[in-house]
Amino acid sequence: NAGVTQTPKFQVLKTGQSMTLQCAQDMNHEYMSWYRQDPGMGLRLIHYSVGAGITDQGEVPNGYNVSRSTTEDFPLRLLSAAPSQTSVYFCASSYRGTLTDTQYFGPGTRLTVL
Amino acid sequence: AQSVAQPEDQVNVAEGNPLTVKCTYSVSGNPYLFWYVQYPNRGLQFLLKYITGDNLVKGSYGFEAEFNKSQTSFHLKKPSALVSDSALYFCAVRDLRGNFNKFYFGSGTKLNVKP
Repeated sequence: NAGVTQTPKFQVLKTGQSMTLQCAQDMNHEYMSWYRQDPGMGLRLIHYSVGAGITDQGEVPNGYNVSRSTTEDFPLRLLSAAPSQTSVYFCASSYRGTLTDTQYFGPGTRLTVL
Repeated sequence: AQSVAQPEDQVNVAEGNPLTVKCTYSVSGNPYLFWYVQYPNRGLQFLLKYITGDNLVKGSYGFEAEFNKSQTSFHLKKPSALVSDSALYFCAVRDLRGNFNKFYFGSGTKLNVKP
C-alpha cells in the first residue's frame, strides 16, 4: 500500500488566495491529523479527525478548515492565505489515535505565501 | 507542562562508531515516547516507541533507545553508524491536551555521519 500521500509537494500562493492541500491514506486508519512544521517550533497540530464525519481543532486551527467525508481523505483548506502560513505541512494517520498508536506521516507539502 | 528536549542541535560521528542522540522529557502521567527520523525533503518516518515493559526498545534500521525513568530520558542509540543514517531526528512524547492526543516534538537533532 502507498501509506499516507500528500499533494502537491510544493506550492506558492499570493496573500489572500485559497487552496486545498490533499491527504489520503490507504491503511483504513480512523485517526488523521494535520501538522505544520516551522523552524525551532517543532510540529504543531492544526486539526484532527477521529473518523469520517468527525473533525476537531488542534492547537493552531485559525485560518484553516478541514472535512472528513471518507475514511481515506482528509483535505486541509487555507481560506485566505497569509505569509504567516508559510510552512511545511504534514498529514498523519494512525489506527485509532490513542496515546500508544504509531502515527504515520506523509511526505509533506512545502507552502510559500508571498 | 509536557515537553521534550533535545539538547544537541547537531551530532557528528564517524562511520562505524557508536552514536547517541539525546532526549529528555517531562510529562504528568505515563510517558509514551517515540523517535522519528526525517530525511531531506521527506516526511517523518517512525523508528521506535516506548509504551511499557523493557527499558531497551529496538526499532528500525538497527536503532534502539533506552528509557530511563529516573533521569526522564529516552536516548536514541546505534552501535555502528552509517553515512546513510545522516538525517534529522525527532523525539516525541504523546500526551493528552484538552480533548485530544497530542505529540510534543523536540526541536530535532541533525545527525552527521562522516565517512
